[in-house]
Amino acid sequence: ETGVTQTPRHLVMGMTNKKSLKCEQHLGHNAMYWYKQSAKKPLELMFVYSLEERVENNSVPSRFSPECPNSSHLFLHLHTLQPEDSALYLCASSQDNAPNYGYTFGSGTRLTVV
Amino acid sequence: QKEVEQNSGPLSVPEGAIASLNCTYSDRVSQSFFWYRQYSGKSPELIMSIYSNGDKEDGRFTAQLNKASQYVSLLIRDSQPSDSATYLCAVNAGTALIFGKGTTLSVSS
Repeated sequence: ETGVTQTPRHLVMGMTNKKSLKCEQHLGHNAMYWYKQSAKKPLELMFVYSLEERVENNSVPSRFSPECPNSSHLFLHLHTLQPEDSALYLCASSQDNAPNYGYTFGSGTRLTVV
Repeated sequence: QKEVEQNSGPLSVPEGAIASLNCTYSDRVSQSFFWYRQYSGKSPELIMSIYSNGDKEDGRFTAQLNKASQYVSLLIRDSQPSDSATYLCAVNAGTALIFGKGTTLSVSS
């Protein structure tokens, strides 16, 4: 496995379900990020982790809960979501937490809340 | 609120022409700037980074940076239909990148 891997690629969930998105990076990076991408809007930063410590939480609703057990893995736990949470969720990693060299993105998880 | 502005387009150019994509940013202290390409249904892919005022060339792509004007641009020479995608401008805001909405480019053959 190389790069940044996200699973699942697609997810349909009801508003009362609990699910988790997974991200794994094989690049030796030490910072990881969650972004939300909705139609007609810029990528929205959700969470930033550096060396497994959360360094930024961009006023994200508590129904989204991140977890970073080590520098290679990042999770986004989802519960009681709303239809407006349907979007593409992108994980990214970078060499440092002031990303001077840009990110590598995963393929994303397309989430649909019904 | 740090912001990155791009014209959403669509920008339509014929094959072989030069496509010019523009971006402005609000944070004067930003030091690193990026262009990502995103094909429909795919994730963004880094194509150019620039850190100093002036031009940086990589194949058919040239990034231009003017920090005094807070302006970044991307030129694509000899545009090909395979260049049709959305181009995202991103600015280093300290702990993360801030992205514009993207400009959709359509290259017709």
